Amino acid sequence: AQSVTQPDIHITVSEGASLELRCNYSYGATPYLFWYVQSPGQGLQLLLKYFSGDTLVQGIKGFEAEFKRSQSSFNLRKPSVHWSDAAEYFCAVGADSGYALNFGKGTSLLVTP
Amino acid sequence: EAQVTQNPRYLITVTGKKLTVTCSQNMNHEYMSWYRQDPGLGLRQIYYSMNVEVTDKGDVPEGYKVSRKEKRNFPLILESPSPNQTSLYFCASSQPGLAGYNEQFFGPGTRLTVL
Repeated sequence: AQSVTQPDIHITVSEGASLELRCNYSYGATPYLFWYVQSPGQGLQLLLKYFSGDTLVQGIKGFEAEFKRSQSSFNLRKPSVHWSDAAEYFCAVGADSGYALNFGKGTSLLVTP
Repeated sequence: EAQVTQNPRYLITVTGKKLTVTCSQNMNHEYMSWYRQDPGLGLRQIYYSMNVEVTDKGDVPEGYKVSRKEKRNFPLILESPSPNQTSLYFCASSQPGLAGYNEQFFGPGTRLTVL
């Protein structure tokens, strides 16, 4: 079954520093991959998605992610983090059942001044 | 504005008292789903619906019921809530693309506490 692993439960970065959040997926064929962000007290918002084509995907809020089949990874990056980026980030993959998504357990990002 | 709405946003109840959390979307999406979010466990799917009158179990369906009588609404029913159902609940909807999977739009969440 398709699944994702987010190895980092918590990450702390300084404002202005670069960010990389890791996501590893398990799936035999080409996966459908998503990154969502959950700000405190809010629902989930889609940052970006990968279905096929260019392996470097641009998203909202200055985020990008790179699909690497050889490493089974879909890491999220941002060159310069802002304090407003502090949130919970979820990686997700399309599930076997079709339509549904399997979510990772999330990475909590703390941004320090 | 395209959105998914949930009510109530916060609910405190007691064990065994039936409750319903409503979910409505205005995007004419075919697919709707309920998730629960618990610390350290991420989001787990409870039930989903691929269209009106078509529902199916997700990963953690025990203790929950759903119905899909109208395309826009997908209520979550807890017939006899128990403390282990204390959680943050999200409703989501999407319009499947050619490959099936597509972006899911999430509601703001319902925080449920069962005493």
